[in-house]
Amino acid sequence: QVQLVESGGGLVKPGGSLRLSCAASGFTFGDYYMSWIRQAPGKGLEWVSYISTSGRTTYYEDSVRGRFTISRDNAKKSLYLEMTNLRAGDTAVYYCARDFYYGDNWGQGTLVTVSS
Amino acid sequence: VLTQSPSASASLGASVTLTCTLSSGHSSYAIAWYQKLPEKGPRFLMKLNSDGSHAKGDGIPDRFSGSSSGTERYLSISGLQSDDEGDYYCQTWGTGFRVFGGGTKLIVL
Repeated sequence: QVQLVESGGGLVKPGGSLRLSCAASGFTFGDYYMSWIRQAPGKGLEWVSYISTSGRTTYYEDSVRGRFTISRDNAKKSLYLEMTNLRAGDTAVYYCARDFYYGDNWGQGTLVTVSS
Repeated sequence: VLTQSPSASASLGASVTLTCTLSSGHSSYAIAWYQKLPEKGPRFLMKLNSDGSHAKGDGIPDRFSGSSSGTERYLSISGLQSDDEGDYYCQTWGTGFRVFGGGTKLIVL
């Protein structure tokens, strides 16, 4: 079955950086768009970024554009989110999802806390 | 683009219908419905088209169904169980965007 496992979250100071990873299994990873979605404490879901099968096409939500970079390694069946210049407002649980324009399979998430 | 009521409630064993409203001019858009339970990742329930046809996610029981009318997209849950209590989100997409509604908190009484 489809499995997505996120890792790399943690506590980071404002202005710091963090790299999230998502390990995929149970499907042909290179055939699917992939996405990162987040949920801040007490808030709703927010689509952060997506990447095409080849990695050539990417999308970023306005508040993260220029600070976050999505990438993938199809050989390793892995998705990444490089986050720089982190702000308190980036504090959230970050989920990776298989992307059909909607997320048909999701991971359990990894918590990112930005605080001094 | 998407509007949801903040909360809804219904009794154990009863039925409830949640509504997701697309902004005007977007009546042809499909949406997806998700269930978000505490401490769990979101669960894809179904993709719902503008004509009311829908495709459910793996293992989603028949108690969950969807329908459409104009700019309104509905999620109906019958035979409510305590495990259904949580947040429900709709989401739509287009060229270069994917956006969620604000979510509806469902309380099972």
